Amino acid sequence: AQTVTQSQPEMSVQEAETVTLSCTYDTSENNYYLFWYKQPPSRQMILVIRQEAYKQQNATENRFSVNFQKAAKSFSLKISDSQLGDTAMYFCAFIHSNAGGTSYGKLTFGQGTILTVHP
Amino acid sequence: KAGVTQTPRYLIKTRGQQVTLSCSPISGHRSVSWYQQTPGQGLQFLFEYFSETQRNKGNFPGRFSGRQFSNSRSEMNVSTLELGDSALYLCASSLAGRGYTFGSGTRLTVV
Repeated sequence: AQTVTQSQPEMSVQEAETVTLSCTYDTSENNYYLFWYKQPPSRQMILVIRQEAYKQQNATENRFSVNFQKAAKSFSLKISDSQLGDTAMYFCAFIHSNAGGTSYGKLTFGQGTILTVHP
Repeated sequence: KAGVTQTPRYLIKTRGQQVTLSCSPISGHRSVSWYQQTPGQGLQFLFEYFSETQRNKGNFPGRFSGRQFSNSRSEMNVSTLELGDSALYLCASSLAGRGYTFGSGTRLTVV
């Protein structure tokens, strides 16, 4: 069974600075997706970024980028120019997919990292 | 485009009662998944429905059940509620399994 581990329960950063959240996962499969979700106090789970395992290029979405190391099974999230609105719980998640790119099964989540951005 | 809608947002029930939660996915999405979120256990998968069929099921007792209707709306039911069922229940919809959009959740409190 796959597992996802986020080793940092809490992180804090000053506004405008850069912060990196860590995530490692374990699977014996070759095809999968990795996600970072953000959950602010409003509790809505918001997709931040997605990475397809077959793509070597790291995904980027504006101020958010990932460092995907497939061999090391590592998937860290870098937030540049941190903003107060980035304060939230961040979850790393994993799901298997088939060769055609369609996922199946369940999303497996890490325990989450609480990120606080200070003014 | 409307997002995933979960109703109700808050619910308080007494031990032993049953409860039904509703989830309306994004239009065109045929897959609906349910997750339970608690401080102690984190996010745990309950079940997934696709085209009215349960496709996957997590490790929850039979008191937890669900269904999906022909319009893709889904309901989950918990019977004989226990204090430990207090949680945030999240629903997610997906079009082709490449991304999952979550609703705002239903906060269930069992007293």
